[in-house]
Order: sequence, then structure tokens, then C-alpha cells
Amino acid sequence: QSALTQPASVSGSPGQSITISCTGTSSDIGSYNLVSWYQQHPGKAPKVMIYEGSKRPSGVSNRFSGSNSGNTASLTISGLQAEDEGDYYCCLYAGSSSFWVFGGGTKLTVL
Amino acid sequence: EVQLLDSGGGLAQPGESLRLSCAASGFSFSIYAMAWVRQAPEKGLEWVSTVTGSGGGFNTFYADSVKGRFTISRDNSKNTLYLQMNSLRAEDTAVYFCAKAAGGRIQLWHFDYWGLGTLVTVSS
Repeated sequence: QSALTQPASVSGSPGQSITISCTGTSSDIGSYNLVSWYQQHPGKAPKVMIYEGSKRPSGVSNRFSGSNSGNTASLTISGLQAEDEGDYYCCLYAGSSSFWVFGGGTKLTVL
Repeated sequence: EVQLLDSGGGLAQPGESLRLSCAASGFSFSIYAMAWVRQAPEKGLEWVSTVTGSGGGFNTFYADSVKGRFTISRDNSKNTLYLQMNSLRAEDTAVYFCAKAAGGRIQLWHFDYWGLGTLVTVSS
């Protein structure tokens, strides 16, 4: 069964850039850059920020970008703002055994 | 404007059943795959189930944790998604979100719209 590993927390100061990693295996992230990333504020529904690895939905700030290298996908937020604080989850279709798998989530704190 | 209004949550005892609903509007409901994703208190997101759209033959998929107990279905005439939850367990306690899937082939699907969530509490 696929598992996606994220750091529990990251932090940064306003204006800085941060990167959140999502580590899978050569069978999933390593083969396809198909990760989606979701932002969730406390008590709110998740919101897609990046899909298919690096595509940004309409209305999402271009401060958010996605990439991958090897078995790790990354979400980078540049020009950090207070409103970026929240939880971030990566997600991947892991095939017919696990279907969709979410990472454990990363809490972003803007200092 | 796409809207997903999920409802039906509440308190249930272990072994009991609940049915969640998700009323959709603002898009051609029957075409798109729909999903349920849950979040236990202070925990991360967990995919629960997906039903494909008309192009996918309305096939259903389940997480191992709910297979055999939960049933996803859709009424395209009412633009409504359902989740029938039977034999509920304490570990099913969570906020349940309905979500619309987007993308081409299944490997590309992501969840582009979400409901606000409905809380299911399983406790004696």
C-alpha cells in the first residue's frame, strides 16, 4: 500500500519562501508527477492549490508552485503571507489497490 | 457557481447506520466522478470512496477501512451523492467531506470542489 510522507511542520517569516515535501516511491511519484496539493484552514474545507504536479487552478496565487524530483514532490510557496498559514496535504492516485492516498499533512506556521 | 452541500451527519452508536447526502449544483453532475473524504478529529485527510461519472460507468471504489460497510451511490436525477454507512465503528468518527473530481484519465483526477463537511460521531 502506498504511503506519502510529509514533514509534520514547516515555518517561515513573511516574504520568505518555504518548501513542503511529499515523499513516495518509484512506483508512484517517481513515475508520474501527478500529485495534487490541498490547503486547509482550521474548520474549513480543503482547497486545491496544485494539480497534476505543477498546474495551478484559476484563482490560485502564482506564489504557489509544484515540482518533483525523483520520488519526492514539492510544494513551494514564495513571498510567504500570513494567510498562507494552515495545513497542507499532498494526494496521489496510487493505483487499483489503494486508489487515492493523502500524505499525513504539514502544518505551515507564518512567524 | 459550483456548490456542494453535505448533510446527514450526527451521533450514532457502534453498529448503527447513517446516510450522508451531498447536494450538488452549478455543474453537470452526472458527468463527473464524486468522492467522500473524511478527517478524524485533529487528524489528516483520508480518502473514503469514489463513484465515477457517466463516462466511467458509475463504478465505485472504496478504501479498505470501509469496504463492505459503506456504500457510495448517486442519484443523477436529483444531483445528489450519498454515502450509506453501516456497522459504524468508533474509528469512523470524523468530518466527512464530499468532493467533485476533475481531470482526464483517472490517474490525473484531483478534487477541485469540496463541501463544507458533516460531522459523524460514533459513540456509545
